[in-house]
Amino acid sequence: AQTVTQSQPEMSVQEAETVTLSCTYDTSESDYYLFWYKQPPSRQMILVIRQEAYKQQNATENRFSVNFQKAAKSFSLKISDSQLGDAAMYFCAYWASRGNEKLTFGTGTRLTIIP
Amino acid sequence: EADIYQTPRYLVIGTGKKITLECSQTMGHDKMYWYQQDPGMELHLIHYSYGVNSTEKGDLSSESTVSRIRTEHFPLTLESARPSHTSQYLCASSQETQYFGPGTRLLVL
Repeated sequence: AQTVTQSQPEMSVQEAETVTLSCTYDTSESDYYLFWYKQPPSRQMILVIRQEAYKQQNATENRFSVNFQKAAKSFSLKISDSQLGDAAMYFCAYWASRGNEKLTFGTGTRLTIIP
Repeated sequence: EADIYQTPRYLVIGTGKKITLECSQTMGHDKMYWYQQDPGMELHLIHYSYGVNSTEKGDLSSESTVSRIRTEHFPLTLESARPSHTSQYLCASSQETQYFGPGTRLLVL
């Protein structure tokens, strides 16, 4: 069974600094997708970034980028120039594109931004 | 922004009442999901559907039931609410990427 591990329950970063959230996963599949979701306090879960496993290039979305290491099964999220609005729970998730697999979530990392 | 809606957003109800949480999406997604999440905690999948007339139980045992009569609609029903059902319920839909609704916060007194 696939598992997703987020080993940092909580992280904090100074405003305008850079922070990296870690995520590792376990799978025997070769085709899959990885996601980072953001859930601000009392607000909607939204997609931050998505990575297809067959793509070697790391995905980027403005200040958000990933370091995807397929062999190491690692998928970290880097947030540059942290802003107060980045404060949220961040969930890493895995989805195998073969068949009708369900999305597997990590337990989340709570990110605090220090003004 | 994904077009997935949940109503009500907040619900306070007494023990023993029957409740239905509504979820609708306008994206034509075949797959839909219900998650239960305590505030700031991990998500637990309680039900999912891969299309009309398809429903499956998720990883977390739940006393709720679901139906999928139309592609766009995936309601969740609790026949008799209890305080242990107090939580947040998130609906999601997907083709590949999963998109979430705003959630329903349920408080059972």
